[in-house]
Amino acid sequence: KAGVTQTPRYLIKTRGQQVTLSCSPISGHRSVSWYQQTPGQGLQFLFEYFSETQRNKGNFPGRFSGRQFSNSRSEMNVSTLELGDSALYLCASSPEPTSGSTYEQYFGPGTRLTVT
Amino acid sequence: EDKVVQSPLSLVVHEGDTVTLNCSYEVTNFRSLLWYKQEKKAPTFLFMLTSSGIEKKSGRLSSILDKKELFSILNITATQTGDSAVYLCAVHNTNAGKSTFGDGTTLTVKP
Repeated sequence: KAGVTQTPRYLIKTRGQQVTLSCSPISGHRSVSWYQQTPGQGLQFLFEYFSETQRNKGNFPGRFSGRQFSNSRSEMNVSTLELGDSALYLCASSPEPTSGSTYEQYFGPGTRLTVT
Repeated sequence: EDKVVQSPLSLVVHEGDTVTLNCSYEVTNFRSLLWYKQEKKAPTFLFMLTSSGIEKKSGRLSSILDKKELFSILNITATQTGDSAVYLCAVHNTNAGKSTFGDGTTLTVKP
């Protein structure tokens, strides 16, 4: 099976702009989670989508939003970018959560966002 | 709020040494504990632990969970330079449906 893919891999934006990142999960996985990773804060949970619905949300401001499509692909959007949004944004997919062997998360390569 | 603490934060060893990485946690409605290895890219999955006392092994790596004392250890025997990485521990909370990650242990294996 193909792994989790994320596009773009690298992005440079200026303050005040907005950005949309895309994630395609492993085929058959319906849960997609987004994380922000920075040297100072480590991996921080942004939100999780399952069957086109946001099930869980971390402690990030409303500038961070996302959605999931019927094919389980997900996008996250950050509006009014700030310098502190510079980070590696990771997407992870999981198989059907009702299975006893699930919640293994498989990460994509990430999108490196730099805000100048 | 769920919390994961890893120790040590960093570790430098020589090839052939055995290392033990620690992960302690506080989480409501514990579902599972996961270990990941992160090199210069995204984390790669190592183990998922849900039951106490059952060791999981993969080659030179092994891990065990103690749900009473709320910790897990990751052992790496006969370390190699390719084991150099950040090792991340995460716990999954059933209710919140999210994983909370520790800050990681940076392992450096010298030839």
